[in-house]
Amino acid sequence: SQQGEEDPQALSIQEGENATMNCSYKTSINNLQWYRQNSGRGLVHLILIRSNEREKHSGRLRVTLDTSKKSSSLLITASRAADTASYFCATLGGSARQLTFGSGTQLTVLP
Amino acid sequence: GAGVSQTPSNKVTEKGKYVELRCDPISGHTALYWYRQSLGQGPEFLIYFQGTGAADDSGLPNDRFFAVRPEGSVSTLKIQRTERGDSAVYLCASALGPYGNEQYFGPGTRLTVT
Repeated sequence: SQQGEEDPQALSIQEGENATMNCSYKTSINNLQWYRQNSGRGLVHLILIRSNEREKHSGRLRVTLDTSKKSSSLLITASRAADTASYFCATLGGSARQLTFGSGTQLTVLP
Repeated sequence: GAGVSQTPSNKVTEKGKYVELRCDPISGHTALYWYRQSLGQGPEFLIYFQGTGAADDSGLPNDRFFAVRPEGSVSTLKIQRTERGDSAVYLCASALGPYGNEQYFGPGTRLTVT
């Protein structure tokens, strides 16, 4: 079953704008990860944030984590057409070793 | 180095047939995962191997699904008596270890059961 929901389900923006995606989850976690998927095939790891971290940056990506609200956000700054993809948050919690994914946000960046 | 590879990339089979899906993880990765992804959804966990043993198979939907990893490297997901509801993309991922590390995903096998 899915861990939680991502919001929005779909997002369309112009190149150069920022894109923000949100993720909510249900159970306590060890870490939360964001992945990108092109064309419904392999996923690419973007960034990992641990439960004791509140914010993390990687290039044009900024991730925040609020464990009290069980939510995370992914910000992509200065978006490019090549950022068009589906973005998934995934949590790792408790004794589990597998990721539990959200339902994803489909991002379209228009040139 | 080489990433995770999966074969075949596409598989079309008739209802009731048996299929095998193969995953070659990154060399040296001891953890291997199988996920299934339906259209418009996020991947859902099926089974996790640490070395040769299935450490967690709680995600397998029923006893028609089985997976092996006999030498701790290549893994095969086996589906017996396929049903149309088994149609999905089957994703394999590997990781250096089980402790919450980044997982590296293969391109997936798109299974279509007609």
